[in-house]
Amino acid sequence: LLVESGGGMVKPEGSLRLSCAASGFTFSNAWMSWVRQAPGKGLEWVGRIKAKADGGTTNYAAPVKGRFTISRDDSKNTLFLQMNSLKTEDTAVYYCTTYYGDIDYWGQGTLVTVSS
Amino acid sequence: DIQMTQSPPSLSASVGDRVTITCQASQDIDNYLKWYQHKAGKAPKLLIYRASNLERGVPSRFRGSGSGTDFTLTISSLQPEDVATYYCQQHVDVLTFGGGTKVEIK
Repeated sequence: LLVESGGGMVKPEGSLRLSCAASGFTFSNAWMSWVRQAPGKGLEWVGRIKAKADGGTTNYAAPVKGRFTISRDDSKNTLFLQMNSLKTEDTAVYYCTTYYGDIDYWGQGTLVTVSS
Repeated sequence: DIQMTQSPPSLSASVGDRVTITCQASQDIDNYLKWYQHKAGKAPKLLIYRASNLERGVPSRFRGSGSGTDFTLTISSLQPEDVATYYCQQHVDVLTFGGGTKVEIK
């Protein structure tokens, strides 16, 4: 189970941190991703963090690189997405997701609205 | 970065029709391809993994095929509950989604 939280409304250039609480699988071994869907648009991969055992490295999509940071707290089974310098085009439902142990996990999504 | 080109962007078909959606990768992705069904307000649902394997619990009218760069999702007999947007996703390295295909009932 994945449960996102932290969404809300923020002004352009503002910041927001999303969380994704995981349960039901060995979170520390999972490679975790964030995916978003802007209103009327398709699914867009935002970024990924590998398991610490695999280096814990992160990768980001071009539109968010340098503004968004993905991190994880394996002691709390929680994934984070720190979003800075937000733009109106970052308005979207944000999902955390992973494919682990032959099971595809997705959260229910959390809405982020960037508007003045 | 690997690009995924999905077509058509939308389609309208009758109940019982055979529906085909295609997805083309910009480079060889072997069979590292998934198909998702996405309904408004819900999380995407995995239908097919490794290009042609049916996820547990998914009706057998859904079928995936292809490898390398060209992939197809077929719904053999469209049902009203299949109204949704369908996405292909490659996962060779980082994830990339196709643009989506919105399926409606005529």
